[in-house]
Amino acid sequence: DTGVSQDPRHKITKRGQNVTFRCDPISEHNRLYWYRQTLGQGPEFLTYFQNEAQLEKSRLLSDRFSAERPKGSFSTLEIQRTEQGDSAMYLCASSKGILGNEQFFGPGTRLTVL
Amino acid sequence: QQPVQSPQAVILREGEDAVINCSSSKALYSVHWYRQKHGEAPVFLMILLKGGEQMRHEKISASFNEKKQQSSLYLTASQLSYSGTYFCGAGQGAQKLVFGQGTRLTINP
Repeated sequence: DTGVSQDPRHKITKRGQNVTFRCDPISEHNRLYWYRQTLGQGPEFLTYFQNEAQLEKSRLLSDRFSAERPKGSFSTLEIQRTEQGDSAMYLCASSKGILGNEQFFGPGTRLTVL
Repeated sequence: QQPVQSPQAVILREGEDAVINCSSSKALYSVHWYRQKHGEAPVFLMILLKGGEQMRHEKISASFNEKKQQSSLYLTASQLSYSGTYFCGAGQGAQKLVFGQGTRLTINP
């Protein structure tokens, strides 16, 4: 399978704990995106990388959220001191970054904060 | 600003046609259409570029009216597999997508 992969697929944590998610993009894609989706809504943009550079962060991304893409390949999204409002599906997408910029999504990580 | 999709929900019988609209108040560089089934990730259907042609994916086609900043998705002779929630994503520049709230499509036999 050469699509976008995410790990873990599901995460249940207690409020106040830290969690980290991983995304492996399609290998030749240099752009990587993180989105968050809550029930009944479309995905909301969080941040994106071109290679290892983080080029944009949404205002939705509070100080508790941090994302990295250290070698321009896989990326991690960490949430510190989780809150119940962080419960959502976290989606990763990647693209070649050329005209049109088709983005292909991974299966997502569903986070439940108790 | 989030694009607006209409209708919010559609119920069809297999074989019927449907149109889903997506409107933006901001200038669009591109419009991306996705279908998402319950509990799964959005699946890319097609992209329409400013100045580009109408696109087609199987029996699904889409158009992009640049003057109106509007895109429409046309589902012809719908199949049970078309059920799901359809999202349009507005490309504002060649970067992030801003998604609409979705249109839930139910196809009944």
